[in-house]
Amino acid sequence: KNQVEQSPQSLIILEGKNCTLQCNYTVSPFSNLRWYKQDTGRGPVSLTIMTFSENTKSNGRYTATLDADTKQSSLHITASQLSDSASYICVVSPILTNAGKSTFGDGTTLTVKP
Amino acid sequence: GAVVSQHPSRVICKSGTSVKIECRSLDFQATTMFWYRQFPKQSLMLMATSNEGSKATYEQGVEKDKFLINHASLTLSTLTVTSAHPEDSSFYICSAKGGNYGYTFGSGTRLTVV
Repeated sequence: KNQVEQSPQSLIILEGKNCTLQCNYTVSPFSNLRWYKQDTGRGPVSLTIMTFSENTKSNGRYTATLDADTKQSSLHITASQLSDSASYICVVSPILTNAGKSTFGDGTTLTVKP
Repeated sequence: GAVVSQHPSRVICKSGTSVKIECRSLDFQATTMFWYRQFPKQSLMLMATSNEGSKATYEQGVEKDKFLINHASLTLSTLTVTSAHPEDSSFYICSAKGGNYGYTFGSGTRLTVV
């Protein structure tokens, strides 16, 4: 069964600090892994998309890494801001003709405090 | 970039009535759109896959007669919650495949049935 596990479930950090969120998956065969940021009451917004051959990808203060061998990904947030407070969701897609059966992690709730 | 517009953002309806939620891809054509449901502090749950010009594919446990999906054009999919009940109150989100590997989400609809 395809699974995506995210850790920690929740995290509280001080403004300006860095943090790293983890995503482990069992989805196979693997197509791509996406990190989304979801503010409360809003739809998810894409941060990064990585395919099998990509090890790291950055989007401003967000840097995602992917180890396809160990099936692990991380999202590193640098110099956190209050606006980074949100839920971060890891989504992994298998290779399918319609690519629709993505598996969602339960998300990590990040709270950045002043 | 790819933009998906979802409307309305909030709706309150009386028990027994029907509610229609629209999902539009504004700057790209989406042959496939997805509808999700999200309960508080939980991840997104795929309800159905909407295919332009054909019947939607529902996930196990989702009542197709209760959640009517229509995808009449390449830019519009609608979800109608029929005979709504308080237990249908939830956050509904659509997404569409846009660009390479990217799935763009709508901003979500908060449905409250009273």
